[in-house]
Amino acid sequence: DGGITQSPKYLFRKEGQNVTLSCEQNLNHDAMYWYRQDPGQGLRLIYYSQIVNDFQKGDIAEGYSVSREKKESFPLTVTSAQKNPTAFYLCASSMGGGIYNEQFFGPGTRLTVL
Amino acid sequence: AQKVTQAQTEISVVEKEDVTLDCVYETRDTTYYLFWYKQPPSGELVFLIRRNSFDEQNEISGRYSWNFQKSTSSFNFTITASQVVDSAVYFCALSAPLDSNYQLIWGAGTKLIIKP
Repeated sequence: DGGITQSPKYLFRKEGQNVTLSCEQNLNHDAMYWYRQDPGQGLRLIYYSQIVNDFQKGDIAEGYSVSREKKESFPLTVTSAQKNPTAFYLCASSMGGGIYNEQFFGPGTRLTVL
Repeated sequence: AQKVTQAQTEISVVEKEDVTLDCVYETRDTTYYLFWYKQPPSGELVFLIRRNSFDEQNEISGRYSWNFQKSTSSFNFTITASQVVDSAVYFCALSAPLDSNYQLIWGAGTKLIIKP
């Protein structure tokens, strides 16, 4: 089945550690996105990529890094510079970066800093 | 600047009641798209509908209907004969080329609770 997978579902991190969240899609979509969601809040864009080897910062990119070496994969690294990383992280993809393209979402990764 | 407002933070109704979720948007663009997504307790967002700014026809899909009114900059979502499975957080989003650089601008979401 086509879709977006994110792993792990739950992730625990000690303060000062970097962690990488995985996002893979087999929808042959060009664009991919990372969002952060805090309890009771909406979605905030961290990074997005419209083509391989290119990505742009979203609204809250500080303390995060990404790579887009393959069309199918868009991993997100939460660095120790991110002061409050505990949140729900959602990865999404769309066919292109145009305004008419709906985004499809993965199941999310819930990150907790201990 | 672009903005999406979902003024209803939480709505609670009894099963089988009709319920309307409000969405008001702001944009300078004349061409734009509006979206509704559902986020059930599992967390994964599910796409419900997309509407472009040139199509003001109302849309109906089963128990779901959407009312798009450019005159009031609103794109409201109605669930008829609600069911417990409709309980979720619903997000309205806007995409406009100039205002949002092709990215989705999200509302804060409305939590819908359907009581049996």
